[in-house]
Amino acid sequence: DTAVSQTPKYLVTQMGNDKSIKCEQNLGHDTMYWYKQDSKKFLKIMFSYNNKELIINETVPNRFSPKSPDKAHLNLHINSLELGDSAVYFCASSQGVAGLYQETQYFGPGTRLLVL
Amino acid sequence: QKEVEQNSGPLSVPEGAIASLNCTYSDRGSQSFFWYRQYSGKSPELIMFIYSNGDKEDGRFTAQLNKASQYVSLLIRDSQPSDSATYLCAVNILANTGKLIFGQGTTLQVKP
Repeated sequence: DTAVSQTPKYLVTQMGNDKSIKCEQNLGHDTMYWYKQDSKKFLKIMFSYNNKELIINETVPNRFSPKSPDKAHLNLHINSLELGDSAVYFCASSQGVAGLYQETQYFGPGTRLLVL
Repeated sequence: QKEVEQNSGPLSVPEGAIASLNCTYSDRGSQSFFWYRQYSGKSPELIMFIYSNGDKEDGRFTAQLNKASQYVSLLIRDSQPSDSATYLCAVNILANTGKLIFGQGTTLQVKP
């Protein structure tokens, strides 16, 4: 009965490869997010979708492309992986984007990406 | 100036003491504020949120917000070794987007 799940948990790959990370939430939430947490533990938002519509698109390389096939899923595809992409990527979800309780975000377990 | 600032620590307190974690933010228009706890190798876990000036208490945790001073804090009473973790302050700086800006986190060590 995991609320926000991600696959895979660990991803080790070579530079230049393309990889995807999948996220699913069973909370019935309308909004989903991708965050990157670097080696210094700094957590930074990358993208957000609300009802399958992109609402936050931070300044990230266009090698990163999110895709939301439906409200419960938000995937992250990364092309031409670079050493600097090594980090932990967290998916999160919230009921909405504003208002008491609505915007509270719940995080998935994370995907640890190591680019060699 | 960073948008959300925290002292990275580590903050070390003895078991049973009060731990005080502080956070300042730059956007005066920010409306909602969150504290997350993150154990090593785990995902952030929501502890509390606060919207209004003043104190909000939940068990051993108290969040304090002072919008005039752009300051939010988290007090942990009767600290336990299991409270040892990194505490992340997050601020929603853009209304109606869910865009949370996180501080770099404060590492708390509670010594038995």
